[in-house]
Amino acid sequence: NAGVTQTPKFQVLKTGQSMTLQCAQDMNHNSMYWYRQDPGMGLRLIYYSASEGTTDKGEVPNGYNVSRLNKREFSLRLESAAPSQTSVYFCASRYLGQPNTEAFFGQGTRLTVV
Amino acid sequence: AQSVTQLDSHVSVSEGTPVLLRCNYSSSYSPSLFWYVQHPNKGLQLLLKYTSAATLVKGINGFEAEFKKSETSFHLTKPSAHMSDAAEYFCVVSDSGGYQKVTFGIGTKLQVIP
Repeated sequence: NAGVTQTPKFQVLKTGQSMTLQCAQDMNHNSMYWYRQDPGMGLRLIYYSASEGTTDKGEVPNGYNVSRLNKREFSLRLESAAPSQTSVYFCASRYLGQPNTEAFFGQGTRLTVV
Repeated sequence: AQSVTQLDSHVSVSEGTPVLLRCNYSSSYSPSLFWYVQHPNKGLQLLLKYTSAATLVKGINGFEAEFKKSETSFHLTKPSAHMSDAAEYFCVVSDSGGYQKVTFGIGTKLQVIP
C-alpha cells in the first residue's frame, strides 16, 4: 500500500519552461489536493478536487493548472515557470464524506526555478 | 471563515524536558483539529486528531493535545522530549462544512538540545 506517490522528487526548471507534477493515491479517496510550502508560510492550497471530475481553485492558483485524470490521479501543471514558483509541492488525498477525516500526504516535490 | 495561529515559530527544549507547542483556532463550524509533524525533507505525518469524542487526545510518539473550546486552543504537549522529536509541527483546522476546508498554521520548528 503506497499511499500517496508524487513524481518527480526534485526538479530544476528554467524560467518559462513548463512541467507537470504527477500525483497518485491508492486509498480510494475521493478528494485530492495540491499545496505549496514556503518558509514561514505553512502550506497553502493551490487547487483541489473534491471528487472525480471536479476541480476548484484554492488560495494561490495563479500560474497553475490541474487535471483530475481519474479517481487515483491528480496532476499539477506549470505552463510557464517563474522563480516565484520555487517551492516544495505536496499532494494530498482524503476521504470527503465522513466527518473528521485526515489528509494523507506525499513526500513532496522540491522545485527550483532559475 | 476559519484560521489557525501557531503562537511560536521556534521552540527549543532540552532532551528529557516537557514540550509545549501552542495553537489557537477560529472556525465558524464545529471544527476538526489535527497536528501533523514534518521531519526534514520528508512529507507530513499525522500525529493526532480531535473529533469531539474526547477533549484530551493521545497521538503517536507520546504526544497528546487538549481541546479547550472556551480558549479556542489545541496545544500539543509531550512530557519528555527526545532527540527524534526535532521537526516542524503544523496545527490544522478543518470545518464541518460541505467541503471541509483545511487550513494550516505556519508551523513551529522544535529544536531538541542534547
